[in-house]
Amino acid sequence: GAVVSQHPSWVICKSGTSVKIECRSLDFQATTMFWYRQFPKQSLMLMATSNEGSKATYEQGVEKDKFLINHASLTLSTLTVTSAHPEDSSFYICSATLGGNDNNEQFFGPGTRLTVL
Amino acid sequence: GQNIDQPTEMTATEGAIVQINCTYQTSGFNGLFWYQQHAGEAPTFLSYNVLDGLEEKGRFSSFLSRSKGYSYLLLKELQMKDSASYLCAALDSNYQLIWGAGTKLIIKP
Repeated sequence: GAVVSQHPSWVICKSGTSVKIECRSLDFQATTMFWYRQFPKQSLMLMATSNEGSKATYEQGVEKDKFLINHASLTLSTLTVTSAHPEDSSFYICSATLGGNDNNEQFFGPGTRLTVL
Repeated sequence: GQNIDQPTEMTATEGAIVQINCTYQTSGFNGLFWYQQHAGEAPTFLSYNVLDGLEEKGRFSSFLSRSKGYSYLLLKELQMKDSASYLCAALDSNYQLIWGAGTKLIIKP
């Protein structure tokens, strides 16, 4: 099956710093990538949808200037949490689809656990 | 609005069968997914249904009724490693996944 990787797996940072998370599709070209956030004991919350070469579409309530998404190629999307604060501590998961109406399955990365001190 | 409902938690015995139900209300419908998620890990794909009926895949089966907005995941011959959260997600008319809160399944010996 399609493999998606994320880096780093976990990160601890000081409040006010920025953190970049990479999401890569290893063996396929991902037309669309999704970024999710998951707080403990809660379901996944979609943050944004990104298509290669275009601006990401953010969900309501997600600050686009705080969560910068760059989908520069068909195999790489990055999420940068700018000026991170403790309330940004969460599990961030990306997923990717092959694209097209017949390929609806989302392949998930292993997730990145962010802890902001 | 769009909504996915599934039980918060279920308990079952090793070797038994358990059915996890999910009801959905979405703007349009392009299929329903079930994912398994172990604590601290990302979800892993279990099944995708877009047509009515039962899809069987080994110990796991998934059922869909589009007219009722209802699906269930059936797990047979439960094993301890099946202890996890099971997430139901419906694909809406924009091909966006609408996620349920997940059902935490506890397997007891």
